[in-house]
Amino acid sequence: EAGVAQSPRYKIIEKRQSVAFWCNPISGHATLYWYQQILGQGPKLLIQFQNNGVVDDSQLPKDRFSAERLKGVDSTLKIQPAKLEDSAVYLCASSLDRISRSGRAGNIQYFGAGTRLSVL
Amino acid sequence: GQQLNQSPQSMFIQEGEDVSMNCTSSSIFNTWLWYKQDPGEGPVLLIALYKAGELTSNGRLTAQFGITRKDSFLNISASIPSDVGIYFCAGLYGNKLVFGAGTILRVKS
Repeated sequence: EAGVAQSPRYKIIEKRQSVAFWCNPISGHATLYWYQQILGQGPKLLIQFQNNGVVDDSQLPKDRFSAERLKGVDSTLKIQPAKLEDSAVYLCASSLDRISRSGRAGNIQYFGAGTRLSVL
Repeated sequence: GQQLNQSPQSMFIQEGEDVSMNCTSSSIFNTWLWYKQDPGEGPVLLIALYKAGELTSNGRLTAQFGITRKDSFLNISASIPSDVGIYFCAGLYGNKLVFGAGTILRVKS
């Protein structure tokens, strides 16, 4: 089974430029997450989708960050304009279902390799 | 918000030694997860714990879900060089996953 795919793996931009990241979740996984991981810290949730709807975007800096999952499968995360403090690894994760009937494996999140963003 | 306190921050141990790390929280979680992250990669799930008091093993790894549901530990027995990396605990409440800051494990061969 293929894992979560992310691209690009690395991106270097100057501040005030725009950047976009792409994620393709595990096939059949209804829920997709974007995390920001700053060096030396654990991942922090930015936004969560179930199918093509937003479930939680309370931690997303909406003045500059946007995300979409139009067809309920792959997703893009955009930053416009980027700031120096946006330098981080952006991780995408997916899970089978937000609330599964078994209550167990359904909400386990599986991560992609991430996109490392450097803002200069 | 919910926070996890993970300790130690880093460890430098001899190959063959046992390793122990833990995670505590002021909040209750329904599920505890332990992930490992290698350089340049995303976190990979090691162990999932679903019930208070549960003790689960995965090869040389053993983890326990604390009785109070506010803590968990991970043990690695007979460490080997490929165990190096960052280990994260994560608490799952509903669909919300909260991560600790990680424990950096370095192994001397």
